[in-house]
Amino acid sequence: QVQLVQSGAEVKKPGASVKVSCKASGYTFINYAFHWVRQAPGQGLEWMGWISADSGNTEFSQKFQGRATITRDTSASTVYMELSSLTSEDTAVYYCARWEYSSSSDPFDHWGQGTLVTVPS
Amino acid sequence: QSVLTQPPSVSGAPGQRVTISCSGSSSNIGAGYDIHWYQQLPGTAPKLLIYGNSNRPSGVPDRFSGSKSGTSASLAITGLQAEDEADYYCQSYDNSLSAPWVFGTGTKVTVL
Repeated sequence: QVQLVQSGAEVKKPGASVKVSCKASGYTFINYAFHWVRQAPGQGLEWMGWISADSGNTEFSQKFQGRATITRDTSASTVYMELSSLTSEDTAVYYCARWEYSSSSDPFDHWGQGTLVTVPS
Repeated sequence: QSVLTQPPSVSGAPGQRVTISCSGSSSNIGAGYDIHWYQQLPGTAPKLLIYGNSNRPSGVPDRFSGSKSGTSASLAITGLQAEDEADYYCQSYDNSLSAPWVFGTGTKVTVL
């Protein structure tokens, strides 16, 4: 069965960077893409960006352009999301989600369990 | 500020039917992009509930149904159960934004 397993919770100082991993299993890794979505405490879902597992091409929300990096390691079936220059407003649960990407309208069909990133003020 | 608007909360007694609306615009739902719905149980990750406006993934009970018309969509839960108490989000694509994959504002369903 499809599984996306993310790395554990992180506590970071303001100004630091964090790198979250998402390991996929149960299917052919390069046949799908991954989106990253975050959720601040008590808030809704916010789209950050996505990566093609095959080509490595990425696209980001303008809000995170230049501050977020998404990469993948096909040999490890793992994608990574790194966010730099952290502030307390980046405190959130970060999710990876699988995407078939045959069209822009495809759903995010499987999600990781989430990674809590805390940036104390 | 999400471009997909949902009511903050809906509630119903066990066995009742509740609906959640998702209001968009001509650059997302009205442009023909599909609507998907996600269920987020307390403390867990979102789970795909309805895709392509009205389709249920394997394992989702047929108590959940989706529809779309014009610039809006809706999710219906019939025969409401205690386990349905969760947050629900609609999601679509918007061709006018720099962050084109958009989520609704979210709706908390409470089972009375």
